[in-house]
Amino acid sequence: AQSVTQPDIHITVSEGASLELRCNYSYGATPYLFWYVQSPGQGLQLLLKYFSGDTLVQGIKGFEAEFKRSQSSFNLRKPSVHWSDAAEYFCAVGPPLGGYQKVTFGTGTKLQVIP
Amino acid sequence: EPEVTQTPSHQVTQMGQEVILRCVPISNHLYFYWYRQILGQKVEFLVSFYNNEISEKSEIFDDQFSVERPDGSNFTLKIRSTKLEDSAMYFCASRTGRFRDVSNEAFFGQGTRLTVV
Repeated sequence: AQSVTQPDIHITVSEGASLELRCNYSYGATPYLFWYVQSPGQGLQLLLKYFSGDTLVQGIKGFEAEFKRSQSSFNLRKPSVHWSDAAEYFCAVGPPLGGYQKVTFGTGTKLQVIP
Repeated sequence: EPEVTQTPSHQVTQMGQEVILRCVPISNHLYFYWYRQILGQKVEFLVSFYNNEISEKSEIFDDQFSVERPDGSNFTLKIRSTKLEDSAMYFCASRTGRFRDVSNEAFFGQGTRLTVV
């Protein structure tokens, strides 16, 4: 069964510092991998996605993520965090091309940004 | 850009009442989903729907829940007799699902916040 692990429930970084949010997945085939961001009381916004090809993917708001098959990881990074990045971040895994199966979410990492 | 639309954005209902949450998926999508997020918790899968039938459901999706695509554009989630623990944000999502479609991610609506009192 597919699963996603986000080991960090809560992370605090200073504004301007770099950020890395960890994500490990378990999936029987080559999955789609996603990162979503959710501001308090809001919906889910897709930051970036990985299907195939270059293992370093660029997303919106200056975020990037690197797929490492050997480690079953898809960590999210940002070189310099802004106060507006404070939100909850969800890693998710989805079915390969054409599959109907659900997208499975990790438990989320809540990011706090301090001045 | 096409988007998934959910209505209402917030609904308050009394325990034991029936509620219907409405979603308009993206028009050429084939797969539809409902997810639930209890406040402060993870996003949980409820049900997936394809070709006018449920293709997968979670243990959360018991007999109190049902889904329907009544008119080819709307996708609804009905909770027959709401309980306090049904209070959550409910997200609808849709995907193209077409084989080898590179835009195969799920597009999520903004959610309906259901409060059961």
